[in-house]
Amino acid sequence: AQSVTQLDSQVPVFEEAPVELRCNYSSSVSVYLFWYVQYPNQGLQLLLKYLSGSTLVESINGFEAEFNKSQTSFHLRKPSVHISDTAEYFCAVSGGSNYKLTFGKGTLLTVNP
Amino acid sequence: SAVISQKPSRDICQRGTSLTIQCQVDSQVTMMFWYRQQPGQSLTLIATANQGSEATYESGFVIDKFPISRPNLTFSTLTVSNMSPEDSSIYLCSVIPPGQIDGYTFGSGTRLTVV
Repeated sequence: AQSVTQLDSQVPVFEEAPVELRCNYSSSVSVYLFWYVQYPNQGLQLLLKYLSGSTLVESINGFEAEFNKSQTSFHLRKPSVHISDTAEYFCAVSGGSNYKLTFGKGTLLTVNP
Repeated sequence: SAVISQKPSRDICQRGTSLTIQCQVDSQVTMMFWYRQQPGQSLTLIATANQGSEATYESGFVIDKFPISRPNLTFSTLTVSNMSPEDSSIYLCSVIPPGQIDGYTFGSGTRLTVV
């Protein structure tokens, strides 16, 4: 069985400040890790993913996440956020042969001017 | 990645009735899933839709309440039966194209309100 814990349900920050959204997982098998973003009243979009190789993965809009196997973490970071980054962020894990995604409860990132 | 068309995008239904949600993919996919996102909550897997056989349901979900059809590799339906206000959620279809473990794609969702 696998599970995902997102430690913060809400993260308010000011524009241009750095942010870290925390994600820890548990799994008995090797995992694939994902961050999804859901903007207000929109569908779910893949932000970035870790499958193998380099433990640091980046998205096209400045977010990055680092896979840390020893700490079973996959925290999402951005050095300087914009108001347009306001959204719900979901961490998800997939492992084994069934390809099912297990999601965390989500973190609402609110960027204030 | 695959493109998913999910219908309807939203609906308001009377309690006791049923709603069927359609998921159409622009390419053949092996793996197709149905998720539920309750208000203010994360996504929960309802079932894996298997082509040509009965769906595989997760704990807490049953076929009588959420019957699923998967007649071919590009189409599936989820029915929410005998609805109650507790069924008010967003329902999402998700697929993985063959051989693309990183290719999870989600439909835009069906926002269901039961009154």
